Amino acid sequence: AQTVTQSQPEMSVQEAETVTLSCTYDTSESDYYLFWYKQPPSRQMILVIRQEAYKQQNATENRFSVNFQKAAKSFSLKISDSQLGDAAMYFCAYRREADGLTFGKGTHLIIQP
Amino acid sequence: DTGVSQDPRHKITKRGQNVTFRCDPISEHNRLYWYRQTLGQGPEFLTYFQNEAQLEKSRLLSDRFSAERPKGSFSTLEIQRTEQGDSAMYLCASSVFREQFFGPGTRLTVL
Repeated sequence: AQTVTQSQPEMSVQEAETVTLSCTYDTSESDYYLFWYKQPPSRQMILVIRQEAYKQQNATENRFSVNFQKAAKSFSLKISDSQLGDAAMYFCAYRREADGLTFGKGTHLIIQP
Repeated sequence: DTGVSQDPRHKITKRGQNVTFRCDPISEHNRLYWYRQTLGQGPEFLTYFQNEAQLEKSRLLSDRFSAERPKGSFSTLEIQRTEQGDSAMYLCASSVFREQFFGPGTRLTVL
């Protein structure tokens, strides 16, 4: 069974600085999808960024980018120019085909003004 | 608003009672997923539907949990004979292809 591990329960960064959230996963599959979701306090989960395993190029969405290392089964999220609105729980997730998502335990990101 | 909606948003019940939650997916999304999220954890996948067919239900936590999507539109999740350990946030998500869009969740408290 696939597992997703987020080893940083909490991270803190100064506003306007850059922070990297770590994620590793375990799977025997070669085709799959990886995601980072953001869950602000008392608000719903929203998708931050998606990476297809067959793509070598790392995904980028504005200030958010990933470092996808397929052989190492690593999928980190880099947030540049951190803003107060980035404060949230961040979940790394794995999915194969149309299956349900497998989530990590999350990283609580704190933005220091 | 055309996002995923869930009803009720909060439910308080006594141990042993049955509860039912509803999820309305984004229009034309043929896949619908249910998750459970306990405090301090990531969501845990329970079951999913493609149209009205339930394609995965082995992850339902026990035989007290059941889900339906009778006409391929909205879905219901029922928990029978609730236990205190069932207290959690129950999330619904829908998709048409790769990305799942989540609803606001139903927070269940079992006293």
